[in-house]
Amino acid sequence: SAVISQKPSRDICQRGTSLTIQCQVDSQVTMMFWYRQQPGQSLTLIATANQGSEATYESGFVIDKFPISRPNLTFSTLTVSNMSPEDSSIYLCSVRGGDGANYGYTFGSGTRLTVV
Amino acid sequence: GQQVMQIPQYQHVQEGEDFTTYCNSSTTLSNIQWYKQRPGGHPVFLIQLVKSGEVKKQKRLTFQFGEAKKNSSLHITATQTTDVGTYFCADGGSQGNLIFGKGTKLSVKP
Repeated sequence: SAVISQKPSRDICQRGTSLTIQCQVDSQVTMMFWYRQQPGQSLTLIATANQGSEATYESGFVIDKFPISRPNLTFSTLTVSNMSPEDSSIYLCSVRGGDGANYGYTFGSGTRLTVV
Repeated sequence: GQQVMQIPQYQHVQEGEDFTTYCNSSTTLSNIQWYKQRPGGHPVFLIQLVKSGEVKKQKRLTFQFGEAKKNSSLHITATQTTDVGTYFCADGGSQGNLIFGKGTKLSVKP
């Protein structure tokens, strides 16, 4: 199963600034997914990042606010831009763990963001 | 859009009692996956169900997929304090991403 290294694990940021979150996967994967989990809530998909093409954003999320890079098949970044307190959440990246029904999705350990 | 409804939102049990969480969808699911998230942790994959009527067991955990592939359940027998966490079902879908239910937060009193 794929292993993901996500950083930073947490940060406290001033409103109006930006934070870039990185995810490194130990194997090549076609698609990487970025989720947001607001405190005490479920996970909501922000966007799907494909190598060599622009990310696909879900309804309610826009590229200007959450620009994504996917320079190769093992790495992706998500930037939270012009932050406000409403952006305080846990951000997680995810990839398919492997092929077959025995593999689900593997998640990074998450980035706990607090905007003050 | 596609939604997966999950109940209950919270469940408090005494250690040794059983626990069940349910997921329902208004449309047929291609597959359903279950995840566990410990407090302060990230979701961890438990299992995937694909076939109509499928039942899978992992020690004290039993997972079921309905005949119509619109509902699923996770049952834990004789809960332990290590079972504490939030259990999410997720529609595996066809786009490669997951659509999560709201989760059931389980607390176990020793």
